[in-house]
Amino acid sequence: DGGITQSPKYLFRKEGQNVTLSCEQNLNHDAMYWYRQDPGQGLRLIYYSQIVNDFQKGDIAEGYSVSREKKESFPLTVTSAQKNPTAFYLCASSRLVLTGELFFGEGSRLTVL
Amino acid sequence: DQQVKQNSPSLSVQEGRISILNCDYTNSMFDYFLWYKKYPAEGPTFLISISSIKDKNEDGRFTVFLNKSAKHLSLHIVPSQPGDSAVYFCAATNAGNNRKLIWGLGTSLAVNP
Repeated sequence: DGGITQSPKYLFRKEGQNVTLSCEQNLNHDAMYWYRQDPGQGLRLIYYSQIVNDFQKGDIAEGYSVSREKKESFPLTVTSAQKNPTAFYLCASSRLVLTGELFFGEGSRLTVL
Repeated sequence: DQQVKQNSPSLSVQEGRISILNCDYTNSMFDYFLWYKKYPAEGPTFLISISSIKDKNEDGRFTVFLNKSAKHLSLHIVPSQPGDSAVYFCAATNAGNNRKLIWGLGTSLAVNP
């Protein structure tokens, strides 16, 4: 089945450690996105990529890094510079068409102890 | 500055009745609007969309209405079912912002049996 797979679903880390969240899609979508959701808040865009080897900062990119070496993969690293990393992270993808319809993964919940 | 506003954080309706979720926007350049549904600890799923050249789009129990002069859209669910209980996000986009989605903060819908 086509879809987006995020892993791990739950992750616990100590403060000061870098963490990498995986996102893989087999939908042949060109664009991929990382969002963060906090309780009572909407979705905030961290980074997005429209083609391989290119990515753009979203609204809250500080403390995060990404790479897009393959069309199917868009991993997100939460670095120790991120002041408040505990959150629910969502990866999404879309075709590059004139609409913004996104397909989301199931999310990764990161808890920093 | 919130360009897409969902002013009701929560809504409660009886099973079988109509649910109406509202969304207002401020950017007149938005030309495509989407509704997503999200269950706890899952990624959002696309529900229905509407282009700015239309004022209504219907898909089964779900209808979205767009009033461009008022910069307002609404999602109608008829009849409401307990399985519709979720958070509903309104999002908007336009070609000028690389089709990035601008999200509302969501409305939590509870459909009571």
